[in-house]
Order: sequence, then C-alpha cells, then structure tokens
Amino acid sequence: GAGVSQSPSNKVTEKGKDVELRCDPISGHTALYWYRQSLGQGLEFLIYFQGNSAPDKSGLPSDRFSAERTGGSVSTLTIQRTQQEDSAVYLCASSLASHESYTFGSGTRLTVV
Amino acid sequence: AQSVTQPDIHITVSEGASLELRCNYSYGATPYLFWYVQSPGQGLQLLLKYFSGDTLVQGIKGFEAEFKRSQSSFNLRKPSVHWSDAAEYFCAVGARAGNNRKLIWGLGTSLAVNP
Repeated sequence: GAGVSQSPSNKVTEKGKDVELRCDPISGHTALYWYRQSLGQGLEFLIYFQGNSAPDKSGLPSDRFSAERTGGSVSTLTIQRTQQEDSAVYLCASSLASHESYTFGSGTRLTVV
Repeated sequence: AQSVTQPDIHITVSEGASLELRCNYSYGATPYLFWYVQSPGQGLQLLLKYFSGDTLVQGIKGFEAEFKRSQSSFNLRKPSVHWSDAAEYFCAVGARAGNNRKLIWGLGTSLAVNP
C-alpha cells in the first residue's frame, strides 16, 4: 500500500479482555516495528520483525503481549487480559531494510476501562 | 546507558522567528540520528536523518540539523517558523549497524507558534 495502515484507529476495551491490533506495512518493507506511546512517556520499543521472524522482542512488557507477522507483511499485536496501564497509542512502523528510516502508521489508540 | 534528552518540553515562538530545538544523546556506538514531527491527529513524519558524511543535514519543510559529535548533540533549526510548524518534535537515535535495530526516543518538544 501507499502507507502503513493500522486498524482499528481507536479501541475501547474492558479490563481483562483480549485485544488484537493490526498493522499493514508498506509493500516490500522487510522490517516492521511496534512501539507504544504513552502520555508524557515518549515512544517505547516493543518488538522488531525482519521478515516473519522477531529477532528482538525485548520491549514486550509482559507475557500478556505477543506479536506475529505472516507472509512478510501484515503483523498483529495481541494483548491478553488487558490492564488499565496498557492504555496507550500503539504505533507500527516499517522500513525497507533495517537501519533505515521508518514510515509510521497513524496508530491505534487503546483505552482500557 | 543509551538515552536521548530533549531539554525543552515546550517552546513558543512567533511566526517568522527562528527556531532551534535541542537534542542531546548518550549512545555507545556511532549513532544514526533522526528528527520526526507529529502534528495533532497525525502520524510521525520523518523530517531528516543523519547517517554519515556532512554533519549539516537538510530536511523537509525547511528544517536542518547539525550533528556535533563533541557535544553529543543533534539540534534542529529553522530560520523562519510558519504557523503550520506547530507540532510535537521528537529526536531519536539508533545503531548504524549490528543487531540492535530499535530507536531510542526523546520525550519530545511541543512547539507552539504565535501569529
């Protein structure tokens, strides 16, 4: 596609429910990243994909968070048993190769109530 | 420890005035440096980047930044600010090579522009 597409743009969920966030990167971009942006906290790295593998998942906050990427394209970030502290904007970015500049999606604003 | 510091949380300038946003970093290896801008309701957009070569880099929208290794700084400048430049600006640093792919981000500087 022309840009990085994320869905949904907004998600309100009840505490304890599972959520799935989707990222559709730019076609041909091999590297894909998930970041989280909380108010006043800046961007926090979650996970990096090169193709379908995740060489660096060191930023995932707990085992409630997982992500996968299929076909070297779409990625899904799953948060199980959501907590209020999971509320944030989840940003996806892709790049043509690693160590190149990112193109970001518009993010998914997650609110856990 | 790897870190990026943007000392100014909020800056207000008048339209037409010059602008400098500060960024200082602490990074073990020679860094790859970026400035991104985030307008209200918009995604993050790359303004410019420094990888190697000329330490003064030009970006979009009339912005430039200068890499100063001795000061561990990568300050963003614009000679004449436009009202549309009001946004949040983020500095980020990453590795040029190796297995570390993630970027370290500053907390951002919010820019307001007075007419």
